[in-house]
Amino acid sequence: DQQVKQNSPSLSVQEGRISILNCDYTNSMFDYFLWYKKYPAEGPTFLISISSIKDKNEDGRFTVFLNKSAKHLSLHIVPSQPGDSAVYFCAASAPYKLSFGAGTTVTVRA
Amino acid sequence: DTGVSQDPRHKITKRGQNVTFRCDPISEHNRLYWYRQTLGQGPEFLTYFQNEAQLEKSRLLSDRFSAERPKGSFSTLEIQRTEQGDSAMYLCASRPGWESNEKLFFGSGTQLSVL
Repeated sequence: DQQVKQNSPSLSVQEGRISILNCDYTNSMFDYFLWYKKYPAEGPTFLISISSIKDKNEDGRFTVFLNKSAKHLSLHIVPSQPGDSAVYFCAASAPYKLSFGAGTTVTVRA
Repeated sequence: DTGVSQDPRHKITKRGQNVTFRCDPISEHNRLYWYRQTLGQGPEFLTYFQNEAQLEKSRLLSDRFSAERPKGSFSTLEIQRTEQGDSAMYLCASRPGWESNEKLFFGSGTQLSVL
C-alpha cells in the first residue's frame, strides 16, 4: 500500500542547472510534506517541509511546491551542486508518523 | 548538540540468532520511532513511542520483533530467530512532542545482515 510515490528512481543533472524531483501521494489526509536527503551509510537528513495549507516554501536553493488538487509535490534545487548528489526521499505525514516514497537518486555532473 | 545515536552500526548474524539494537534519541525528544529500510525502498514505519508508551506497531512488525523504551529515554529493538528477509537498515528517529511540523531526526542506522 504505497501511499507516497516517487516514480523517477534517478535523475542526472549538470552542475549549475535546476534539479526537479517529483512526488505523488494518494491519501488526502496527509497534512505535512517533507523532503529528506540521504548519503550512503547515513540516516536521512531533513531538507525542507511544507504544510498542506501552503503551496510553496523556499529555503535557500531549495523550493518545495505543493499541488493539493493533483496530490503532487515537487522539490526544485537551484543551482545544483556536486554535494547535492544523494538519494532524496519525499515523505508525508498522517498524524504522528511519516510515510516515505522509494527515493530518487540525484547525480550532479561537473 | 548530540543527535540520535544508534548502536551497533553494523551487525552480521546467522539465521536463527537473536539480535538487539539500541537507540539513544535527542534528550528532550519524547517521541521515538523505528523504521526499516531495504535497498531501493524508502524507510518503512515499524513502531512508535511517546515517552515509555508504545502507541503503534506496524503489521510489518511480526511476533519475532519487540521494541521497548523502559524509562522513556533510550529504546531497544530485538529480533528473535532472525531470517534472511530481516536483512535491512534499521533506523531510529526522534522528535519533540510539542512541534507540529512532523520533522523527524534520524540516526545513522544499524545495518543488519543475516547469513
